[in-house]
Amino acid sequence: EPEVTQTPSHQVTQMGQEVILRCVPISNHLYFYWYRQILGQKVEFLVSFYNNEISEKSEIFDDQFSVERPDGSNFTLKIRSTKLEDSAMYFCASGQGRSTEAFFGQGTRLTVV
Amino acid sequence: QKEVEQNSGPLSVPEGAIASLNCTYSDRGSQSFFWYRQYSGKSPELIMFIYSNGDKEDGRFTAQLNKASQYVSLLIRDSQPSDSATYLCAASGGGADGLTFGKGTHLIIQP
Repeated sequence: EPEVTQTPSHQVTQMGQEVILRCVPISNHLYFYWYRQILGQKVEFLVSFYNNEISEKSEIFDDQFSVERPDGSNFTLKIRSTKLEDSAMYFCASGQGRSTEAFFGQGTRLTVV
Repeated sequence: QKEVEQNSGPLSVPEGAIASLNCTYSDRGSQSFFWYRQYSGKSPELIMFIYSNGDKEDGRFTAQLNKASQYVSLLIRDSQPSDSATYLCAASGGGADGLTFGKGTHLIIQP
């Protein structure tokens, strides 16, 4: 069964460093998403990506965040200068259409120290 | 501000009984509703989605939607210990791509 894959599963970084989280969405899906979940809190939408551009972004997705689809399969989230409060699980998801069901990857646990 | 509200629980249900999970949403423009299951430390796993008023059944699961009351529910029949998890309700639509999630209801199935 097709699935969304994310790497790495766990990333530890020092405050102020840049991190890149990687995702391979399901191949025939057109919409790609990043969500985050701070420990003990709800899943929060960050950004959606369609047709090689950002379709929608939340208030959380400020200038320190960026997304890219560098090739036909990968989808990345970059955090330029990490803060302690960026520590969270980051989930990539993909879906076939806008506002349709989204399938989540296993997540990357980001720890900023 | 779009909100999805769920009782955080825990909701304790004996094995074999029906578990009933509820969710309300604030944005009347929401069109699609999703139930995800999340085990501790894992990612959300899609169980069901519903777009139309009424009931939708899939195996042991039934999703119910009442747009007039802005209410979504999930029934799990013949509950199993493996159903013990946090159940997340999510809404989308109204011009938005992303899902708005509730905090989730922690369900415990007692053997």
